[in-house]
Parts: sequence; structure tokens; C-alpha cells
Amino acid sequence: QSALTQPRSVSGSPGQSVTISCTGTSSDVGGYNYVSWYQQHPGKAPKLMIYDVTKRSSGVPDRFSGSKSGNTASLTISGLQPEDEADYYCCSYARTYTSLFGGGTKLTVL
Amino acid sequence: EVQLVQSGAEVKKPGESLKISCKGSGFSFTNYWIVWVRQMPGKGLEWMGIIYPGDSDTRYSPSFQGQVTISADKSISTAYLQWSSLKASDTAMYYCARKLSEEMANWGQGTMVTVSS
Repeated sequence: QSALTQPRSVSGSPGQSVTISCTGTSSDVGGYNYVSWYQQHPGKAPKLMIYDVTKRSSGVPDRFSGSKSGNTASLTISGLQPEDEADYYCCSYARTYTSLFGGGTKLTVL
Repeated sequence: EVQLVQSGAEVKKPGESLKISCKGSGFSFTNYWIVWVRQMPGKGLEWMGIIYPGDSDTRYSPSFQGQVTISADKSISTAYLQWSSLKASDTAMYYCARKLSEEMANWGQGTMVTVSS
């Protein structure tokens, strides 16, 4: 199993939108609607943002949205805020009860 | 309130054994899968394996199979991650998390393991 592929970094100015992609295969991302996204600030534990591809976790602003097309899932953050600057990880179910993370994307709010 | 409280930081020498813990509260510990995740210094998250404390059903990522052992004691709502012989490359932050459907909804604070001679 190889990690899911994410861009190493993305950036945007406050108020803009950014999209982070997460590419896998038909054995993980493309095969199941079980993609989740996690936000991690430096020195902190990860926080669930999106699950089941499109569902927002409790308390997550509706500026965060998820989608999927084929073997690629995406996280879109609209109306960027300074506090959105963090690392973001996708994760997908990958059969036989195991899951797989992406390599992570560093979001910089300019 | 759902909480996962992990044991404290550890400093070990290569070849030593170690068992770290993750104690759950605020939910029925036996009814949820607990996941272990590794984060090496400056690196990304890696899914290691899961355990269902209700019956101790355990699954491992191929990358970690045979390298670590995951266990649980449901009587005290605690999951464990252990090594029989640590290597320097085991130096990392280790997180436990509660899995709902397939998402990891609640996370422990992490346990830093440092292996150095």
C-alpha cells in the first residue's frame, strides 16, 4: 500500500478559496465513499474535518467542503481565514479493515 | 465527553521493549474500534492498525504487521501499542483515535517515543 498523493503545499490569501486534492486508486479512494480529512496545527493532535467524502464533522464551518471524482478526492476551503493555516491529511478506507493516509498538504494563508 | 488519554512521553534505548497506553472515557469502549497512528518527526500521519476492544479483533497495516503489537484491556477501557525491541526509527509521536464509521472522530493527545543510545 502506498500513501495517497497530496500536493505538498498550497497557499491562498484571506477570503480566497483553495482546493487540496487527494489521489488514490480504485482500491481505496475510488472504491469507497469513505474519505475523511484531518486538520493538524503544529504541536497538536489531528482534528476530523470531513468524513464520508462530503459530511462536515460537528462544529466545522461550512467553508470546508469535500468532494470526490473517480480516484481523486478534494477538500475545498472557501473564504480562507488565518486560522485555517495548518497541515491537512486525507484518509481513505482501503479494504480488509485498513485505511491509508495521504502524505499531507501544508496550507499557507498569505 | 469523549476522551482518549494517552500515557506520557518515553525515552528508550535501542533493543528495549515498550508498551504505551490509551484510556478511553465518555463512551462505551467495547463498541468502537481504536486506531493507532504514527507521525515521525516532521513527517505525515501513518495508519498503523486497529483493535476492537469488545473481542480484541485486531488488524494491521502491511507496513506495521510484525513490527508492533496492538492489544486492549476492556475491563479498564485501555488500548495498548507495544514493541518488543525498539529501533531508532521508531522515534515518533503516536496517536490513538476512536473510529466511528471509517472516520477517526476523537483523538488522544499523543505519546512521544524517543529511541536513542
